[in-house]
Amino acid sequence: DSGVTQTPKHLITATGQRVTLRCSPRSGDLSVYWYQQSLDQGLQFLIQYYNGEERAKGNILERFSAQQFPDLHSELNLSSLELGDSALYFCASSSHEALYNEQFFGPGTRLTVL
Amino acid sequence: KNQVEQSPQSLIILEGKNCTLQCNYTVSPFSNLRWYKQDTGRGPVSLTIMTFSENTKSNGRYTATLDADTKQSSLHITASQLSDSASYICVVSARGSTLGRLYFGRGTQLTVWP
Repeated sequence: DSGVTQTPKHLITATGQRVTLRCSPRSGDLSVYWYQQSLDQGLQFLIQYYNGEERAKGNILERFSAQQFPDLHSELNLSSLELGDSALYFCASSSHEALYNEQFFGPGTRLTVL
Repeated sequence: KNQVEQSPQSLIILEGKNCTLQCNYTVSPFSNLRWYKQDTGRGPVSLTIMTFSENTKSNGRYTATLDADTKQSSLHITASQLSDSASYICVVSARGSTLGRLYFGRGTQLTVWP
């Protein structure tokens, strides 16, 4: 158990809908990272937050957004969902700001868009 | 172009045998290299992390090597067990900016048969 929690574990929704994924980092970690993993792709870095502020952006679509709250939990919002958004979404956390520090991954949320 | 290439894409071995997974990278400036193990449907778990000055690092039956000159790393698994069946992902970190960048390989899918 990495100490990172994600909810929900599974999510099934329809195209065009909006969903919110939630992540709680390890105790004491200030950085939260979001990743997408599709069947035919490796892990794709989406976005990083550090202590409430956006720090780095990867291949995140404009339909997706995230935020980190004062209690350091983070939410990833996915809107106008398309079939291709079906994937595993992972959250990771670390104690430092830099991307090259070790990250601890949560169990993931499996999103299925029908 | 910064890239991380892993080989083979998939591998099947018999329980008790050894195997070696490869990771070649062109990432620069290099910061560190990590190997993650990802069980199906679960979050990646860090196995080893190596910096420029480290040639070998072990974690139980897992031994990672790094040749920073040739930009190659390998992960050797000794006396494989059924529980070693998983995807093994090589992740290379680059410095250069304040936060650095992460580059992910697409993983090697290892299957261990009884």
